[in-house]
Amino acid sequence: GAGVSQTPSNKVTEKGKYVELRCDPISGHTALYWYRQSLGQGPEFLIYFQGTGAADDSGLPNDRFFAVRPEGSVSTLKIQRTERGDSAVYLCASSRTGLNTEAFFGQGTRLTVV
Amino acid sequence: KQEVTQIPAALSVPEGENLVLNCSFTDSAIYNLQWFRQDPGKGLTSLLLIQSSQREQTSGRLNASLDKSSGRSTLYIAASQPGDSATYLCAVYSGGGADGLTFGKGTHLIIQP
Repeated sequence: GAGVSQTPSNKVTEKGKYVELRCDPISGHTALYWYRQSLGQGPEFLIYFQGTGAADDSGLPNDRFFAVRPEGSVSTLKIQRTERGDSAVYLCASSRTGLNTEAFFGQGTRLTVV
Repeated sequence: KQEVTQIPAALSVPEGENLVLNCSFTDSAIYNLQWFRQDPGKGLTSLLLIQSSQREQTSGRLNASLDKSSGRSTLYIAASQPGDSATYLCAVYSGGGADGLTFGKGTHLIIQP
């Protein structure tokens, strides 16, 4: 596709449930990132993939969060046992080779845990 | 730990004015700096990327400068238009094992028609 695509655009889930958020990066981009943005704040880094491997997952807040990118393209962010504090906009970005190249962001998934 | 600060937090100006948004960062050892625009409820749109070896980048009415040694960047918007209303975010890439961008909180800009 022409840009980074994220689905769903909105997700409402009950506390304790499991959710998956999907990111489809720009074709040919090897680097993929997940960020989380709370209201009135800048995005915060969660995890960085280079190809299929997670090169840096230091931003994941705890072990309820996990992300995969099995074929080096589409990525899924998985959140187990969701909590109300997980409510935020989850943004995905991709860049051609790494952060020395321009990062392009998707429209985000707004997650609301009720 | 890298920290990014953007001043002012909010700005409202009449249409047609030239304006400057400021971004500062605490660790000058950066690889690059990127300016983004975010419209309400939307994702981020990349505006300009400045590599650490560069002093400025221009795109249309936008000009971004970088003074790496002093830890500062400015985004200059010429002849502002109501369509420029958005939140502008500054982000730096510092590398060194921290593989994500570090963002400021943004400047919320309103251009009055």
